[in-house]
Amino acid sequence: GIQVEQSPPDLILQEGANSTLRCNFSDSVNNLQWFHQNPWGQLINLFYIPSGTKQNGRLSATTVATERYSLLYISSSQTTDSGVYFCAVESQGGGYNKLIFGAGTRLAVHP
Amino acid sequence: DAGVIQSPRHEVTEMGQEVTLRCKPISGHNSLFWYRQTMMRGLELLIYFNNNVPIDDSGMPEDRFSAKMPNASFSTLKIQPSEPRDSAVYFCASSFTGKLFFGSGTQLSVL
Repeated sequence: GIQVEQSPPDLILQEGANSTLRCNFSDSVNNLQWFHQNPWGQLINLFYIPSGTKQNGRLSATTVATERYSLLYISSSQTTDSGVYFCAVESQGGGYNKLIFGAGTRLAVHP
Repeated sequence: DAGVIQSPRHEVTEMGQEVTLRCKPISGHNSLFWYRQTMMRGLELLIYFNNNVPIDDSGMPEDRFSAKMPNASFSTLKIQPSEPRDSAVYFCASSFTGKLFFGSGTQLSVL
C-alpha cells in the first residue's frame, strides 16, 4: 500500500517563529488532507489539498502531486498551534476516500 | 450541524466483556470511517462504509471486532470479547466530498 512519511517527527518553536512541515508519499494520490490533533485529542481538518496551494489565516499548504509531497506552513506560531499535525492520503487506487495517515509531526510552541 | 457525535466519551471495562461504541455521522455524509489510535501504531483505519454498505474491513484486527451501519445516521463498532490490547482511542469520521470530519473519539480502557 501507499507509504506516508512526515518530517520532522518533533519540532519545538518559540512563539512567533515560522515552520514548515513536510509529507512525502510513495504513490499518486486522489486526495490529501492535513489535520491538527490538539492536546485534548480532537482531530481538526485543516486542509483538503490534493494539489496546488491553499491558505487559511496563518496556515498555508502546498501539494506538488507530481513530485509526491506536500508542505504545511505555520507562520507566527502561537501556543495554541501545539499538538500533532497529520498528513493523510488516498492513493489513486484506493477508492471511496480511504485515507491513510502518516505518523505525524509533534509541535510544541513555547511562550 | 453538531458534527460527528460519538458515545461514550470514555469506557472502562474488564477483559472479556462486550464493548459497543456508537457514532452518528454528519447529516448528508455518505461515507463513514472507524479509526483506532494508539501510541505504537498511530491512526489505523479499521473499516469504512459507503452509503451504509461496508466497503473495506481489511483493517479490522480480528473476528472479535465487528461494525454495522443499519442506516445513514448511525453506526456501531463492537468488540466481543474485549482484551487489554484493545485499549485505545476509537474515532469515527464521516465525509461527503472527500473532506474528512472526525468525532471526539471514545477512550477505551480494558482492564
